Amino acid sequence: DAKTTQPNSMESNEEEPVHLPCNHSTISGTDYIHWYRQLPSQGPEYVIHGLTSNVNNRMASLAIAEDRKSSTLILHRATLRDAAVYYCILRVNYGGSQGNLIFGKGTKLSVKP
Amino acid sequence: GAVVSQHPSWVICKSGTSVKIECRSLDFQATTMFWYRQFPKQSLMLMATSNEGSKATYEQGVEKDKFLINHASLTLSTLTVTSAHPEDSSFYICSARERGRVNEKLFFGSGTQLSVL
Repeated sequence: DAKTTQPNSMESNEEEPVHLPCNHSTISGTDYIHWYRQLPSQGPEYVIHGLTSNVNNRMASLAIAEDRKSSTLILHRATLRDAAVYYCILRVNYGGSQGNLIFGKGTKLSVKP
Repeated sequence: GAVVSQHPSWVICKSGTSVKIECRSLDFQATTMFWYRQFPKQSLMLMATSNEGSKATYEQGVEKDKFLINHASLTLSTLTVTSAHPEDSSFYICSARERGRVNEKLFFGSGTQLSVL
């Protein structure tokens, strides 16, 4: 399975932008890049996903490098509620796959008031 | 938006008993559901993939006779932990993929904390 590499932890100040990096140098041409986050004692929550082009939604933006070997999740204005573990995941997409998600260790984001 | 309901949220049971966890997709049809397990301070580990109307596919190292999965309808999958022991204590999470949307997002349940005494 294609793997991702993320920093173990990051800190941010409230109301400032946050850039969460992810490296995925072994990504294949059909793998989608997914981001989820998990608050303590809860199931993961979808944040954003993309294939090649940058993506924006109401929660965040996803910037994908031209060679697709890395991506960055951007939270434009961090709030205390954004404190969570953020997972960058490659969603495999090959014949016979179920499109499952293999979670890595993620980045624990702390937000300071 | 789409919601996945997982029940119960937490359960305490005696060693040797069986526990059933339900995962329901409330407003969409889920042909595929995934079951994860998460130990404290660790990431989610995929246990098995269940497809409606067929046998589940288990990940390496997961005992299929211990973790029984049933996906009898397009909106319900169940995980039964049989003869539970303290080492089975964990946070169990289900997720569902909407029918026909292989590359789209997964919807996750809120998880079930299992404590085996």
